[in-house]
Amino acid sequence: DVKVTQSSRYLVKRTGEKVFLECVQDMDHENMFWYRQDPGLGLRLIYFSYDVKMKEKGDIPEGYSVSREKKERFSLILESASTNQTSMYLCASSPPGDTEAFFGQGTRLTVV
Amino acid sequence: GESVGLHLPTLSVQEGDNSIINCAYSNSASDYFIWYKQESGKGPQFIIDIRSNMDKRQGQRVTVLLNKTVKHLSLQIAATQPGDSAVYFCAENRARQLTFGSGTQLTVLP
Repeated sequence: DVKVTQSSRYLVKRTGEKVFLECVQDMDHENMFWYRQDPGLGLRLIYFSYDVKMKEKGDIPEGYSVSREKKERFSLILESASTNQTSMYLCASSPPGDTEAFFGQGTRLTVV
Repeated sequence: GESVGLHLPTLSVQEGDNSIINCAYSNSASDYFIWYKQESGKGPQFIIDIRSNMDKRQGQRVTVLLNKTVKHLSLQIAATQPGDSAVYFCAENRARQLTFGSGTQLTVLP
């Protein structure tokens, strides 16, 4: 089974902190994604990556950055956390081509 | 602008009835669609997909219909069960990205 693992289920951070959300996949997928999910807004794409050391902005990249140093790991970084970044964060991976993406369990981040 | 996954926010059905969840998209170039199910506290899980060269695809208890003329997608669940209670999203996979709508919360009534 494909497994996408997010390092934390729940996080509470203070405003202004630098926050790292880690995601690891075990299926050697080229593509990895970070989404945030908010009530009534569905899933919105923050950043994605097609290969090691490459990244592309999604629909809402402001306030975030990413790192992909290894194929299996894709990290989301909140440079200076703000309360409007309180949300559910979902990581996903997929092989090339038109195919489904596999999601992790999500990290619920609260910024206080 | 272009969008995908315009959903009604909620749907309630009686246990044993069939459920139909609808989704509209605006990009006529979309060529691959996926339905996901998300249970409370979990990440989305793949249910079924369909490509634009198809009108219908069936899985176990689920059927997806694609009407390219009116840019409409539907998910039909036969004999809905309590375990089907979840949020359902349609998503478009284009240019290596998945674009989601806001989802429909399906509630199964006893």
